[in-house]
Amino acid sequence: DGGITQSPKYLFRKEGQNVTLSCEQNLNHDAMYWYRQDPGQGLRLIYYSQIVNDFQKGDIAEGYSVSREKKESFPLTVTSAQKNPTAFYLCASIPGRDQNTEAFFGQGTRLTVV
Amino acid sequence: AQSVSQHNHHVILSEAASLELGCNYSYGGTVNLFWYVQYPGQHLQLLLKYFSGDPLVKGIKGFEAEFIKSKFSFNLRKPSVQWSDTAEYFCAVTPNFNKFYFGSGTKLNVKP
Repeated sequence: DGGITQSPKYLFRKEGQNVTLSCEQNLNHDAMYWYRQDPGQGLRLIYYSQIVNDFQKGDIAEGYSVSREKKESFPLTVTSAQKNPTAFYLCASIPGRDQNTEAFFGQGTRLTVV
Repeated sequence: AQSVSQHNHHVILSEAASLELGCNYSYGGTVNLFWYVQYPGQHLQLLLKYFSGDPLVKGIKGFEAEFIKSKFSFNLRKPSVQWSDTAEYFCAVTPNFNKFYFGSGTKLNVKP
């Protein structure tokens, strides 16, 4: 089945450590996104990538980094510079730019920093 | 600042009651509009979408939404809710093809 796989589902890390969240898709989509979901704040865009080897900052990129070396993979690193990293992280993809389409979402990773 | 607003943060209804959730956006020009639903413990799923044409769109599970361009609104409706509709609902807007902007979400609790 085609879809977006995020792993792990739950992640615990100590304060000050970098952590990388995985997002893989087998939908052959060009564009991929990372969102952060906090209670009462909806989904906020962290980074997005419209094509391999290219990515853009979203609205809350500080303290995060990404890479897009392969079409199917868009990992997100939460660095120690992120002031409040505990959150639910969602990865999404769309087929490509200039297309009327909805976004497809993974099941999310809940990160807890202790 | 440009935004997507969902004014109802938490709605509690009894089964068979009618539902209307508000969504307003402030982006100009042509937009695509969506409603997503997140059931407890599950991933975001598309309820319905509007790209063009008939401003009244029908989605899954009996939901519908009406795009009113003059009011910059895309309200979600269901004539009769069920307990299984308990979930969080998100309105989303794409002012261009590349970015999806989401509202803050509305939690719906349906009492059996």
